[in-house]
Amino acid sequence: QQPVQSPQAVILREGEDAVINCSSSKALYSVHWYRQKHGEAPVFLMILLKGGEQKGHDKISASFNEKKQQSSLYLTASQLSYSGTYFCGTVVPFFGGATNKLIFGTGTLLAVQP
Amino acid sequence: NAGVTQTPKFQVLKTGQSMTLQCAQDMNHEYMSWYRQDPGMGLRLIHYSVGAGITDQGEVPNGYNVSRSTTEDFPLRLLSAAPSQTSVYFCASSYSTDSTGGGTEAFFGQGTRLTVV
Repeated sequence: QQPVQSPQAVILREGEDAVINCSSSKALYSVHWYRQKHGEAPVFLMILLKGGEQKGHDKISASFNEKKQQSSLYLTASQLSYSGTYFCGTVVPFFGGATNKLIFGTGTLLAVQP
Repeated sequence: NAGVTQTPKFQVLKTGQSMTLQCAQDMNHEYMSWYRQDPGMGLRLIHYSVGAGITDQGEVPNGYNVSRSTTEDFPLRLLSAAPSQTSVYFCASSYSTDSTGGGTEAFFGQGTRLTVV
């Protein structure tokens, strides 16, 4: 079952902040975040693991609440280059560990205006 | 380093035709997967593979077949194309896990835009 993302779309002016949320009905092993610009392939932003470890982007932060099965992506002081569609991808536990089987949410369209 | 290469980039099929979408990666990744992307639906997993000879179904496998005879290649076969299979298809690859046991970055190909008429 796909995780649910909110909001579906958000429009910002440069310098404003945004939060994108991702919620799963299943227990999660990790959460991935990707950004896709129009007509291009998705590009990796970060991974959040159980226990709080975070790997990835140095200008975008995120949180992962394992108990609530939720993750949030924080975009601060947004730039024009942040525009695109953001996807969370969830990984469920598999025999105590995890494969990299990613189930993606439906996406959040972010538009940053000058 | 080419990364993940998908061919063709565009394809138009008639209903009932068959074809194979090609995906190749040169990063020695164990894990490969196919997604389809439709407006408002996000990326939906079709099939995936954790290594040569091992494949499994994803969320929307009907109408698609896969096999993985080598680490590098993971072709997706449409047996009898239907208009509902009109979509953009992405192949992705990654290491299965890293040294900490966590997930690893997925690398995506540039996509194949398929239209079935």
